[in-house]
Amino acid sequence: NAGVTQTPKFRVLKTGQSMTLLCAQDMNHEYMYWYRQDPGMGLRLIHYSVGEGTTAKGEVPDGYNVSRLKKQNFLLGLESAAPSQTSVYFCASSYSPPTGPGELFFGEGSRLTVL
Amino acid sequence: KQEVTQIPAALSVPEGENLVLNCSFTDSAIYNLQWFRQDPGKGLTSLLLIQSSQREQTSGRLNASLDKSSGRSTLYIAASQPGDSATYLCAVTPSGTYKYIFGTGTRLKVLA
Repeated sequence: NAGVTQTPKFRVLKTGQSMTLLCAQDMNHEYMYWYRQDPGMGLRLIHYSVGEGTTAKGEVPDGYNVSRLKKQNFLLGLESAAPSQTSVYFCASSYSPPTGPGELFFGEGSRLTVL
Repeated sequence: KQEVTQIPAALSVPEGENLVLNCSFTDSAIYNLQWFRQDPGKGLTSLLLIQSSQREQTSGRLNASLDKSSGRSTLYIAASQPGDSATYLCAVTPSGTYKYIFGTGTRLKVLA
């Protein structure tokens, strides 16, 4: 039972390079999220999606793009990496009961370093 | 704007103690509140989810309460063990949104 899987788990980039983080979930969840976690800052929402083909901006979207072409996948792209994007990135997903978003399930994280 | 605060930022207790972790939020209009555990270098694991209509949830030695009107939740851990050492985070989902707003967590250390 895989749950939420993130790839890659570690990556080192040079300033200006681009890359894509992949998140895959096998729970048939409607909602998917990308967060970044930095020391002293907690978890901050980058982008999220409430269904296949939809995306929306979170708290800190600048410098990132996302796509949700398939329900089970949510991709986070960095077009031109900057040292300020050095962080641990977490993908999460949840189901969607009538009462609002349900329990949130997280991946193991992707540690990105931008030199 | 919804803000979530967790105090204290860090806590050390001897093994066997019962302890309470606090979470406060500024806007009482929420769908639910969720408590998570995070081990170093790992992702977050959901512990308990409390819907806005509920007062508490229990799982094993854990009990979470919710007082929406005062904007507070507590996570009670009974008979703490060294294996409970981790960072505990709470998150709320503001009504009318799909977003989870997180606190910065309480780092718990249970001493053997």
